[in-house]
Parts: sequence; C-alpha cells; structure tokens
Amino acid sequence: AQKVTQAQTEISVVEKEDVTLDCVYETRDTTYYLFWYKQPPSGELVFLIRRNSFDEQNEISGRYSWNFQKSTSSFNFTITASQVVDSAVYFCALSEFRDDKIIFGKGTRLHILP
Amino acid sequence: DGGITQSPKYLFRKEGQNVTLSCEQNLNHDAMYWYRQDPGQGLRLIYYSQIVNDFQKGDIAEGYSVSREKKESFPLTVTSAQKNPTAFYLCASSIVTRSYEQYFGPGTRLTVT
Repeated sequence: AQKVTQAQTEISVVEKEDVTLDCVYETRDTTYYLFWYKQPPSGELVFLIRRNSFDEQNEISGRYSWNFQKSTSSFNFTITASQVVDSAVYFCALSEFRDDKIIFGKGTRLHILP
Repeated sequence: DGGITQSPKYLFRKEGQNVTLSCEQNLNHDAMYWYRQDPGQGLRLIYYSQIVNDFQKGDIAEGYSVSREKKESFPLTVTSAQKNPTAFYLCASSIVTRSYEQYFGPGTRLTVT
C-alpha cells in the first residue's frame, strides 16, 4: 500500500535560516510520482513540484530545492534563506502510476519568525 | 483567468440539513476531486470524477454525494447522514487522473451546529 510520512508536525525557524522538510514514502510500484504542495493561511493548496520515479536529479527553483533519493525513499524539500512569507503548511504527496489518486502526507506546519 | 472557484468561503448549517458545496473550473480539466481536511489529518479523498456523468468513491465517501453533469462543475452534497460534517472542504482538478498534479480551489469551511 502506498503511504507518505511527514514526521515533522511543526517547525519554527528564524527568518533567513535554511530549513528542510522531510518526506518519506512507501510504494510497491516502480513507476510513481511525488509532489509538494504549499498551503498558506488562506487555505488554497499551491502546487510546487512534480517528480517522477525515474528522475532522481535534484531540482532547484529560486530559494526552493528538492532532494529525491530512491535508496532511502525520501523526497525532502529545503528552503534556503527563509522568509516570513514561507510560513505555511507543506504537504508531500505520492501517486502510483496505476492509481487514479494522490495520497497526501499529514503536512508540516512551518513558522518563519521575523 | 483560469482557475477553480468554490463558493461560499464559509457555510453554516443546522444539524440534519443537507448542504451543497459548489466547485467550478475553467481549466478544461477532465478530472475533478473533493477532499476533506481536518486539523492534523492531512487531506482525505471523498469522491473523484474522471469524466462527465461518471464518478468514483474515495476513502471517505459515506454521507456525501456528488454529480458531474458538466465538465466544468462538480458539486458536493453533504447529507444529514454524515456524522461529523464540520470541516474544510477542498475541490481540485487535473488534466487526467493519473500522475498529474492537481490544482486546488480556495476551499469552503463548513460548520454544522
């Protein structure tokens, strides 16, 4: 069965610090997709990234970077030089190729303190 | 602008009443979804639809019903049979169901007293 674990329920860091959000997944499929979403206080989930299981290259987008490691079934998300606007709940998610659904982790609430 | 709209943002109902939550998209997406979010629970799938006039139950469909008469619209009815309906409800859509990212609406916060 597929499963996504975000062990960090809540994290607080001071502005400008780097922070890494952990995501560990379980799947029996060899083809699958991983996602990260951001949910700001307004409530709407914002899509950040989609990664397929055959592409283990790390990705960087501005202050955001993602580290995908199949050997440890992890897809961690790092924010560099955090800003107050980064405060949100972040969800990691998994979709197996054969499945119509996306399974979400329980989310990590990130507080960036000024 | 393309996107997903959900209305209203906040909804209050008395226990025992059915209530329908609206979801409309103009992204020309085939697939649409309804999720429920409770504190500390993440998102749980209620129903999804891959095509007009067809839909499937998700993980927590009991006490809910949906319809998909138009590609753009996927309303969710919370019936009186839903034992704990107070929650934040999110609608999403994607190009197709499998493996593609979903785009979300702003959500409806339903309070039943």
